[in-house]
Amino acid sequence: AQSVTQPDIHITVSEGASLELRCNYSYGATPYLFWYVQSPGQGLQLLLKYFSGDTLVQGIKGFEAEFKRSQSSFNLRKPSVHWSDAAEYFCAVGEIAAGNKLTFGGGTRVLVKP
Amino acid sequence: EPEVTQTPSHQVTQMGQEVILRCVPISNHLYFYWYRQILGQKVEFLVSFYNNEISEKSEIFDDQFSVERPDGSNFTLKIRSTKLEDSAMYFCASRPASRYEQYFGPGTRLTVT
Repeated sequence: AQSVTQPDIHITVSEGASLELRCNYSYGATPYLFWYVQSPGQGLQLLLKYFSGDTLVQGIKGFEAEFKRSQSSFNLRKPSVHWSDAAEYFCAVGEIAAGNKLTFGGGTRVLVKP
Repeated sequence: EPEVTQTPSHQVTQMGQEVILRCVPISNHLYFYWYRQILGQKVEFLVSFYNNEISEKSEIFDDQFSVERPDGSNFTLKIRSTKLEDSAMYFCASRPASRYEQYFGPGTRLTVT
């Protein structure tokens, strides 16, 4: 069965500093991988996705993520964090099967200090 | 930009009552999903729906749950007899046939008292 682990429950970062959120997955084949962001009171917004090809993918809001098959990781990065990036971030793996369900990690809550 | 919409944003119901949560997926999408997030827990898959039938369901999705696409635009989740443990945020999602990324609605917070 597929699973996703986000080791960091909370991360606090200063505005302007870099951010890296960790994600490790378990899946039997080549995974479809996603990062979603949830701002307070909002739904889940897709930040970026990886299906195949270039292992460094660019997303919205200046985020990028790197797929490393050898480490079963898909870490999210942003070079310079803005106060509006304070939110909860979810990594998910998508099943390549009939239902194409997503399995989510537990989320990482990011706090941004001025 | 098209969005998935959900109504109501918040529903309070008494234990044992039936609730229907409504979703309007993005218009050209063909695959539909329900997920839930109990407070402080992970987002969990409930059910996927394609071509007017369930493609896959989780073990959470028991006989108390059902889904329906009653017309060309709505996608509903019904809980027949709510329990306290059904209190959660319920998210609807949809995707087009040609792409695998799912687009989520803002959620319905269900509170069962």
